[in-house]
Amino acid sequence: GQQVMQIPQYQHVQEGEDFTTYCNSSTTLSNIQWYKQRPGGHPVFLIQLVKSGEVKKQKRLTFQFGEAKKNSSLHITATQTTDVGTYFCAALFNAGGTSYGKLTFGQGTILTVHP
Amino acid sequence: EAGVAQSPRYKIIEKRQSVAFWCNPISGHATLYWYQQILGQGPKLLIQFQNNGVVDDSQLPKDRFSAERLKGVDSTLKIQPAKLEDSAVYLCASRETSWVAEAFFGQGTRLTVV
Repeated sequence: GQQVMQIPQYQHVQEGEDFTTYCNSSTTLSNIQWYKQRPGGHPVFLIQLVKSGEVKKQKRLTFQFGEAKKNSSLHITATQTTDVGTYFCAALFNAGGTSYGKLTFGQGTILTVHP
Repeated sequence: EAGVAQSPRYKIIEKRQSVAFWCNPISGHATLYWYQQILGQGPKLLIQFQNNGVVDDSQLPKDRFSAERLKGVDSTLKIQPAKLEDSAVYLCASRETSWVAEAFFGQGTRLTVV
């Protein structure tokens, strides 16, 4: 179906520890996007992965797209208190039989960082 | 560049009342989404517009929710009558039509139904 599953739902870490969240789909995805939502805020775009096996880095964040384009991960090295928030993956599916992209979000992983 | 504007930011209503939310997307963005986000969950797509036409409303509770985007720019989402379970944040997002375009979200409207 047109959905993406994300695990874990919650992750509590000590500052300095690493964090990883995983996103899975039963169907091949054209691309995958990642968003961050701070407490009380709205989702903000982080990055997009398009190619099979693609790896992108943003400072301490590493994003990967699986070879089969059915899964993706976000890894944060040495977490900081500023990393607190909910991380969502989102995939584009065909909207209502059209060729337009329907942006479907995973359930998100809530990250808390203890100083 | 101005972002996605939403109003109001907060709304408290009694059950069975009606409420409307407004969204002004980023200029030139043909695609507009309305999402419902219940606390602790991911955004759930309610309806998607392409210009002024609906391309997906499969998860919109049509017996009580309605939305329009008359001139392909601003959009309104209405709930009538509201139920307690409608308490959530309603997010509007816009993006360019391209499949590689990112979505830009408004601040959202936090609705509480009492």
